[in-house]
Amino acid sequence: EPEVTQTPSHQVTQMGQEVILRCVPISNHLYFYWYRQILGQKVEFLVSFYNNEISEKSEIFDDQFSVERPDGSNFTLKIRSTKLEDSAMYFCASSQDIVPQPQHFGDGTRLSIL
Amino acid sequence: AQSVTQLGSHVSVSEGALVLLRCNYSSSVPPYLFWYVQYPNQGLQLLLKYTSAATLVKGINGFEAEFKKSETSFHLTKPSAHMSDAAEYFCAVSPNQAGTALIFGKGTTLSVSS
Repeated sequence: EPEVTQTPSHQVTQMGQEVILRCVPISNHLYFYWYRQILGQKVEFLVSFYNNEISEKSEIFDDQFSVERPDGSNFTLKIRSTKLEDSAMYFCASSQDIVPQPQHFGDGTRLSIL
Repeated sequence: AQSVTQLGSHVSVSEGALVLLRCNYSSSVPPYLFWYVQYPNQGLQLLLKYTSAATLVKGINGFEAEFKKSETSFHLTKPSAHMSDAAEYFCAVSPNQAGTALIFGKGTTLSVSS
């Protein structure tokens, strides 16, 4: 069964540094998402992306964050200047269409900011 | 704003016992509702979804959920728990029917003892 693949599984970065989290969505999917889960808290929506544009974004997704689909297979989340509170598990997801089409999640990247 | 509330952050059952995980939603329009499961160190996997086609929804691994509009509930059940069901379970709602974001509950950790 096709899967969403995320790399790396764990990223450790110094506060203030830029970090890029990478995802390879399922190949025939058109919608791409980033969610985050701070340890012990709920999964939170960050952004959705369709047709090379942001479709929706949450209040969390401020100017420090950006997303890009640099080629036909990768989908990235960039955090420009990381803060301690950016430490979380970041999940990438993809779907064929908007809800109620199911979103398929990757295993996540654990981001630790020191 | 739409939201989901999961009652009980931790539920413990014996193997073979009934599993009941509670989810209540708030929505001004008919919602799309989802249950996801997260096994340790893995991403979220869709168990089932409600899209108004039927109030009783059957999912994978023997789970099912019933949409009750009068109670604004979408509780998840399984007649007989198995050790492999131990995981964290998330209820989620789509804020609008033409949207992309999922709003998750805080999750319920299910423990199964032998």
